[in-house]
Amino acid sequence: QKEVEQNSGPLSVPEGAIASLNCTYSDRGSQSFFWYRQYSGKSPELIMFIYSNGDKEDGRFTAQLNKASQYVSLLIRDSQPSDSATYLCAVIPQGAQKLVFGQGTRLTINP
Amino acid sequence: GAVVSQHPSRVICKSGTSVKIECRSLDFQATTMFWYRQFPKKSLMLMATSNEGSKATYEQGVEKDKFLINHASLTLSTLTVTSAHPEDSSFYICSISGGTYEQYFGPGTRLTVT
Repeated sequence: QKEVEQNSGPLSVPEGAIASLNCTYSDRGSQSFFWYRQYSGKSPELIMFIYSNGDKEDGRFTAQLNKASQYVSLLIRDSQPSDSATYLCAVIPQGAQKLVFGQGTRLTINP
Repeated sequence: GAVVSQHPSRVICKSGTSVKIECRSLDFQATTMFWYRQFPKKSLMLMATSNEGSKATYEQGVEKDKFLINHASLTLSTLTVTSAHPEDSSFYICSISGGTYEQYFGPGTRLTVT
């Protein structure tokens, strides 16, 4: 089992709709969770991080964490074509300093 | 977030030569920097953790004698790919830790070995 799993997609969402990206992780002791956006040919850009169970909102983005079920999700409201990118979920396992990345979900927003 | 630069952004070298990639933290004193490699359509793979003033910690399967890391100051870490081969062609990205647990990435260096 991979440490961090994401559906590789592609996920297609019409412009203006809500895009929902999901991620599961295997280390139950993980404490820190991150969502990065990566445009083709570019390096990852931090969108959000979340440490506590529940929701965390920042503009059009909402991160949701459920430690009991070991999943973290990212919702993008009012999706725009510029949101088309690969979204990487990353986790810091218990006792570690390093990020462990999922394989990423490719999101396409259709005008 | 922290601002990280990398140089060069692209490099093409001949097989057997060495290439040095610089990673600079422009607005933050980074005691720890990370080096990743990303192959096309794949996720990021951590190569090593670079600690200022001490030896880097390499991930399993990464040859420390081939990928030399020097973190000589709080703002600069370098990765040298020695005796590069075509299979080393990849996108190399550094990151710094932002003081808590999040990491901020440099723009990356695309290495092509011919």
